[in-house]
Amino acid sequence: GEDVEQSLFLSVREGDSSVINCTYTDSSSTYLYWYKQEPGAGLQLLTYIFSNMDMKQDQRLTVLLNKKDKHLSLRIADTQTGDSAIYFCAEGSNFGNEKLTFGTGTRLTIIP
Amino acid sequence: NAGVTQTPKFQVLKTGQSMTLQCAQDMNHNSMYWYRQDPGMGLRLIYYSASEGTTDKGEVPNGYNVSRLNKREFSLRLESAAPSQTSVYFCASSASGGVLNTQYFGPGTRLTVL
Repeated sequence: GEDVEQSLFLSVREGDSSVINCTYTDSSSTYLYWYKQEPGAGLQLLTYIFSNMDMKQDQRLTVLLNKKDKHLSLRIADTQTGDSAIYFCAEGSNFGNEKLTFGTGTRLTIIP
Repeated sequence: NAGVTQTPKFQVLKTGQSMTLQCAQDMNHNSMYWYRQDPGMGLRLIYYSASEGTTDKGEVPNGYNVSRLNKREFSLRLESAAPSQTSVYFCASSASGGVLNTQYFGPGTRLTVL
């Protein structure tokens, strides 16, 4: 079945860039997502990328997709204390299949 | 527009007790999901309902039952709670029918089974 992997922890100094990585196994993935979970809350969609794209930029967020290596990354520029959260990548495959497979989540800690 | 709501927010059960977690969405979404979140395990799908009147097992369905009561509501029942079911439970919904399957999540229910 599908598998999505992430590192569990990342610490970054305030003002630096954060890069959160994700690998997935399903080559039929058609769309990949990044969700953010703040303490005590549910997940919120941060951004997404279609599998026919290499890069997507949205303000401080840059998503890079290497489909050959099945590697997805999320870069957060000028990391702020409000970016402290758990970040999940998720993949969806097959048009019309409603299920997503989530990674384990990466807890991002900001060092003042 | 409240989005996805879940009740209760917190619950403590004794082993063997039963309870139902409630979920409702007001976005007219077709699909609804129940996940559990455990440290280091990410989100694991318990059950989902692609449309009103249908339910299917996810990755970890054992020990749970679900009911898609109507388009808005999707409940999760633990018939005989076990300590291994201590977790945070999230309900989610999505519009479905398209390529982009954005799921919207509720705030979660933190369940402890003693």
